[in-house]
Amino acid sequence: DADVTQTPRNRITKTGKRIMLECSQTKGHDRMYWYRQDPGLGLRLIYYSFDVKDINKGEISDGYSVSRQAQAKFSLSLESAIPNQTALYFCALPPLAGEGNEQFFGPGTRLTVL
Amino acid sequence: RKEVEQDPGPFNVPEGATVAFNCTYSNSASQSFFWYRQDCRKEPKLLMSVYSSGNEDGRFTAQLNRASQYISLLIRDSKLSDSATYLCVVNIGNTGKLIFGQGTTLQVKP
Repeated sequence: DADVTQTPRNRITKTGKRIMLECSQTKGHDRMYWYRQDPGLGLRLIYYSFDVKDINKGEISDGYSVSRQAQAKFSLSLESAIPNQTALYFCALPPLAGEGNEQFFGPGTRLTVL
Repeated sequence: RKEVEQDPGPFNVPEGATVAFNCTYSNSASQSFFWYRQDCRKEPKLLMSVYSSGNEDGRFTAQLNRASQYISLLIRDSKLSDSATYLCVVNIGNTGKLIFGQGTTLQVKP
């Protein structure tokens, strides 16, 4: 089984709809992050969580909210989706001390807002 | 000015060519540096960390110049399988938050 899973993998929705993207991990990490990727802009941090009770805004949090339901689950919500939120969304885990340098990414969710 | 800047390319090279990618970063407090590889529509994966002394992994060589705030990646003897987008990534501090460049696309042709 994959260490980091995301659901759904693809989603098409309409402007104004509420949508939730879910991320689950089996690595036992406290820290979990949400990024979005747009062509020509690289990945940008939306929200990050250091543990269940510690949620922080990232670079581009407007229009998004998150919920850390448990250590293993970190959900990203778009309360009222708009077309410029069309992007590829990644959940990620930074490495633990002694784990090396690799940040572990989920497979991504491709979201299209019409 | 973006915190991490790369030439987006695309770089189109023949098999066997040597290709170099450059990256600059603006925050002098940056502590660690990486190159990630991203295949089309897939998640980024760590290619290699970048150290001040320079480091090599097979056909790949990464270099860091802290004074110039410049990072490079050299790929020798390019293979078709090297075709991907290469992301320059910087970690500022020890929070694990990474700052990504926009990526450089490489297409290796037969």
